[in-house]
Amino acid sequence: QVTLKESGPMLVKPTETLTLTCSVSGFSLSNDRMGVSWIRQPPGKALEWLAHIFSNDEKSYNTSLKNRLTISKDTSKSQVVLTMTNLDPVDTASYYCARMMSTLLALDYWGQGALVTVSS
Amino acid sequence: DIQMTQSPSSVSASVGDRVTITCRASQSIASWLAWYQQKPGKAPKLLIYAASSLQSGVPSRFSGSGSGTDFTLTISSLQPEDFATYYCQQANSFLLTFGGGTKVEIK
Repeated sequence: QVTLKESGPMLVKPTETLTLTCSVSGFSLSNDRMGVSWIRQPPGKALEWLAHIFSNDEKSYNTSLKNRLTISKDTSKSQVVLTMTNLDPVDTASYYCARMMSTLLALDYWGQGALVTVSS
Repeated sequence: DIQMTQSPSSVSASVGDRVTITCRASQSIASWLAWYQQKPGKAPKLLIYAASSLQSGVPSRFSGSGSGTDFTLTISSLQPEDFATYYCQQANSFLLTFGGGTKVEIK
């Protein structure tokens, strides 16, 4: 059974750095057909893809946000970590992690999401 | 970056209606398009991948078509559980982008 679960702070102050962890089970982060993406969704707005990490540790980032984002993984812990620097209230959103199979190029399993509020 | 434009942004329909949602890419993405359904407070759910392949467990009333820049999601006979927001997503060169969403509402 494939599951993903996001964890991290619910409240972050402006200018601070956000660190979110995605804990996965039911598949291995070393499987060469699978990777993990982070996606966010501000309240009432559309989905926005943030970053992706492949099994070989190659990374891909949203062009507009790449200077603020870092994605990494710890295969032994089955965790994918996203850091976002210099938070602003517009970064308030639900943050999701999701699995992508390279054969589908689609996100087939999603975590439940973590709501992060940026406020002083 | 590739932009994805969905239309309409919302549609009112009745149970049993046929509903069609379109998604246009700013450049060709071959068939690398997926469709998702999202209900309030829930994570998106994959419906269609590779433009026309039905994800396991998804009812056959959902279908997808298209290639290149123009794509369509069709719900052949709308059911009560289908009222939700639908998103398209492209994965060209592993720089993903989503469409703006289409909300399917009860008429």
